[in-house]
Amino acid sequence: EPEVTQTPSHQVTQMGQEVILRCVPISNHLYFYWYRQILGQKVEFLVSFYNNEISEKSEIFDDQFSVERPDGSNFTLKIRSTKLEDSAMYFCASSRGEGTEAFFGQGTRLTVV
Amino acid sequence: AQRVTQPEKLLSVFKGAPVELKCNYSYSGSPELFWYVQYSRQRLQLLLRHISRESIKGFTADLNKGETSFHLKKPFAQEEDSAMYYCALSNFGNEKLTFGTGTRLTIIP
Repeated sequence: EPEVTQTPSHQVTQMGQEVILRCVPISNHLYFYWYRQILGQKVEFLVSFYNNEISEKSEIFDDQFSVERPDGSNFTLKIRSTKLEDSAMYFCASSRGEGTEAFFGQGTRLTVV
Repeated sequence: AQRVTQPEKLLSVFKGAPVELKCNYSYSGSPELFWYVQYSRQRLQLLLRHISRESIKGFTADLNKGETSFHLKKPFAQEEDSAMYYCALSNFGNEKLTFGTGTRLTIIP
């Protein structure tokens, strides 16, 4: 069964460093998402991406964040200058289309020290 | 603003007993409601959605628009039901999910 794959599973980075989280969505899916979950808190929407552009973003997704689909298979989340409060589990998800199920990756745990 | 409330962070139920995980929402449009489950060391996965009206793994959930609730129920709990359960909503035609804080369900053998 096809799955959304995220790499790495755990990333430790120093405050102020740039980090790129990678995702390979399911191949025939058209909608892509990033969510995050700070420890002990709810899963929060960051951004959705369709047709090679951002379709919606939350207030969390400020100028420090960017997303890209560089090669038709990968979907990346870049944090330009990480802060301690960016430490969280980041989930990628994809779906075939409107009203269809979103499939989640296993998550990347980002720790900013 | 849309919001999902799961009042119970933790819920322990004996095997064979009925389970009810509560979910209330606030939303001004036409929401679609979901239950996602995360078993230990596994990814978030869709359990059920209100428009499909299915019963998955013995679980059902009815959307009550008057009470703005979407409680998850199962008549007889099984040990394999132990997991984290998240209620979520989206607007029809908009794929963004708003999650509740989740309820950790533990089934006591």
